Parts: sequence; structure tokens; C-alpha cells
Amino acid sequence: DGGITQSPKYLFRKEGQNVTLSCEQNLNHDAMYWYRQDPGQGLRLIYYSQIVNDFQKGDIAEGYSVSREKKESFPLTVTSAQKNPTAFYLCASNFFGSGQPQHFGDGTRLSIL
Amino acid sequence: GDSVTQMEGPVTLSEEAFLTINCTYTATGYPSLFWYVQYPGEGLQLLLKATKADDKGSNKGFEATYRKETTSFHLEKGSVQVSDSAVYFCALSVYSGGYQKVTFGTGTKLQVIP
Repeated sequence: DGGITQSPKYLFRKEGQNVTLSCEQNLNHDAMYWYRQDPGQGLRLIYYSQIVNDFQKGDIAEGYSVSREKKESFPLTVTSAQKNPTAFYLCASNFFGSGQPQHFGDGTRLSIL
Repeated sequence: GDSVTQMEGPVTLSEEAFLTINCTYTATGYPSLFWYVQYPGEGLQLLLKATKADDKGSNKGFEATYRKETTSFHLEKGSVQVSDSAVYFCALSVYSGGYQKVTFGTGTKLQVIP
């Protein structure tokens, strides 16, 4: 079955440490996205990518970095510059076009040790 | 900028009750509209969508009609079940300047009691 796989499901970060969240899709989607979800809030866009080797900052990109070396993969690094990283992180993907829905992974929950 | 406003939750209903979750939007372009559902500890799943005015999206007994005149996309279900308990997100999508921008509401938690 096609889908989006995020790993790990739970992740713990120590102070001053960078951590990388994995996102892989086998849906042949063009665009991929990273969102942050905090309790009681909607989704906030961190980064998005429409094509390999190209990505754009979203609304809350500070303290995060991404790469898009393959169409299937869009890993997110939470750097030590992100002072409040505790959140639920969701990866999504879709085909181009305004009517195209996004498909989501099951998320990674990041906590601070 | 674009925005989506949903009714605040939580919404608590008895099984077989009628459900309405209100959603209104503002958009600079001509958006597509979506409802997503999120179960605890999971990602979002598409529930239904509508891409132009007066379209009705429907799935699993849920319905929503794209009302351009009132800029609304209210979610309805005639008879809810305990298994419908989840968080529901309204979203709009506009394709502009070569990229797709998606704006989500803050979500409405639904709790259905037996």
C-alpha cells in the first residue's frame, strides 16, 4: 500500500543536540511539507518542497532545516537553535494543484530530556 | 492573508445526535476546501473536499457544502457514532504564484458518548 512513513514515532532531544525526523513517501507525490502541531492549535507550516533539491520556508522555519535529495524523502532537522521544540511533527505530501488533498504520516512526537 | 475559523470545542454529543461543526474562511484567491479528521496519536486523514462553489463533499455519512456567498463550509452528519470521536480540521488551499498554500483551522474536538 502507498503511504507516508514517519520515524521515529517518539524522539527525545537533549539540550544542545540536533535531531532528525524522517519522512518517506511512495505515492509519487511532487510536493512534501512539514508541519508542527501544538496542543489546542492548528497546524503551522515549517518547510515545504515542490521539487527535488528545492524547498521553501514556511511560517515558522527558524531553528529547523530540511533537505530534498530524493523525490521520496524529506527529512527535517530540529537544531539546537529551536528553543521550544516539544511538539507533534507531521509530514504531508500531495500532487500539484489546488484541489489536491494532502496525505499525512502518523507523526513524530518530540520531547526534551 | 488567508484564514480559517472553526467553532471552538470540545463538542460533546450523545450517540445518534445530529452534528454540525461550523467553518468559515477568508481567502484572496479561489480556494478549494477540505475537512480532515485526526484520531489520537495519528496524522490527519482527508474526510471530504469541495473544489468550487455549491459543490457538496461527502464521505462516511459526513457532508459539507461550499458556500461562496457566506464563505462557509460547515460539516454535518445526521447521526454520530462513538467511533466519530476525533478532532476535525477545516482547511483551504489556494494555488498561487506557482505553489500551493494550505491554511488550517485550529481544529474542533468531538466527543460522542454512548
